[in-house]
Amino acid sequence: AQSVTQLGSHVSVSEGALVLLRCNYSSSVPPYLFWYVQYPNQGLQLLLKYTSAATLVKGINGFEAEFKKSETSFHLTKPSAHMSDAAEYFCAVRAYNNNDMRFGAGTRLTVKP
Amino acid sequence: GAGVSQSPSNKVTEKGKDVELRCDPISGHTALYWYRQSLGQGLEFLIYFQGNSAPDKSGLPSDRFSAERTGGSVSTLTIQRTQQEDSAVYLCASSLDLTVSYGYTFGSGTRLTVV
Repeated sequence: AQSVTQLGSHVSVSEGALVLLRCNYSSSVPPYLFWYVQYPNQGLQLLLKYTSAATLVKGINGFEAEFKKSETSFHLTKPSAHMSDAAEYFCAVRAYNNNDMRFGAGTRLTVKP
Repeated sequence: GAGVSQSPSNKVTEKGKDVELRCDPISGHTALYWYRQSLGQGLEFLIYFQGNSAPDKSGLPSDRFSAERTGGSVSTLTIQRTQQEDSAVYLCASSLDLTVSYGYTFGSGTRLTVV
């Protein structure tokens, strides 16, 4: 079965600073990996996904993530944080050959002015 | 519709009562999923439907939980004899297909509070 671990339940950065949200996965078969964002009182919105093509994936709102098989990681980054980036971020994994998507516990990002 | 619609958005119920949560997926999406999001925790998979196939119920936490999907579209999640630990946000998602690498489109959720 697949699983993900998100390191750090809370991350705080200053506006304009680098955003780094960590995600490590476990999967016995090639994984598909996803990052979702959840704004208050809203559902989850897909930020980006890795599906075995390019290992560096660019998503919406300036976010990107790099799939590193050797490190079993899929960390989310953004060069310069904006106040509007404050939200909860979830990493998720599913195997390429099934439909069971497993989510991490989430990381709450706070952006300070 | 344009997105996944869930109703009600909020539900407060007394312990022991039954509740029904509704999900209307994106038109044409064959796969539908229910997740539960408890405070400070990730999303817990509950159940998924794919077309006319038998649903995968492996995530349902107890026999008090059940779900159905009528006509391959609208789904209802039913919780019988609700308990306080059932309090959570219940999220529904739909996906175009299971065999390709689509992510899910989520609804805004139903916040269930059992008092």
